[in-house]
Amino acid sequence: ETGVTQSPTHLIKTRGQQVTLRCSSQSGHNTVSWYQQALGQGPQFIFQYYREEENGRGNFPPRFSGLQFPNYSSELNVNALELDDSALYLCASSSPGRTSTDTQYFGPGTRLTVL
Amino acid sequence: AQSVTQLGSHVSVSEGALVLLRCNYSSSVPPYLFWYVQYPNQGLQLLLKYTTGATLVKGINGFEAEFKKSETSFHLTKPSAHMSDAAEYFCAVSGSGGYNKLIFGAGTRLAVHP
Repeated sequence: ETGVTQSPTHLIKTRGQQVTLRCSSQSGHNTVSWYQQALGQGPQFIFQYYREEENGRGNFPPRFSGLQFPNYSSELNVNALELDDSALYLCASSSPGRTSTDTQYFGPGTRLTVL
Repeated sequence: AQSVTQLGSHVSVSEGALVLLRCNYSSSVPPYLFWYVQYPNQGLQLLLKYTTGATLVKGINGFEAEFKKSETSFHLTKPSAHMSDAAEYFCAVSGSGGYNKLIFGAGTRLAVHP
């Protein structure tokens, strides 16, 4: 059974650019959640996708957007990058995903640096 | 609204000593509580979770946690620390909003000394 994978591992961008991060969910999982973990802090919920639709969103601006594909993989897009967007971005998958007791399995993360 | 407070951003213990990492939560609905561990340059790994039923929860690597509703706490313990336990530990709560959004504490970094 393949776990959650994310790409790329590291990424360096400049302020104002756009970035796309990718996540492949664990086999059989239909829900993907994205979290932002700033240095020295706990992860913060960005949004969740369930069966290709956004299922909930945290306190992040609209320039953070996402997609989920029919195979349940997902993308996180961030437009107009700001310095404060520098963080570790974590993807987590779960199944069936709609209940609060479901365990979320995390990928290794993508380290984004904005210069 | 839900929130998590982890008391102590850094905890240091000797190898073989008791590990106690503190977590207090706030929740207007019955909480589901989780402990995750993060090793350097890695993602999060689930240690244990409490949903309903028995309030003492056993997890992986010898860790356990006890849900105390009266104290709104979910402290993580391990009787004997091992060098490999050195990592960042996060307590999280979910249970509202109709989807399983996790709200994390700020984390506690555990150092284990020989």
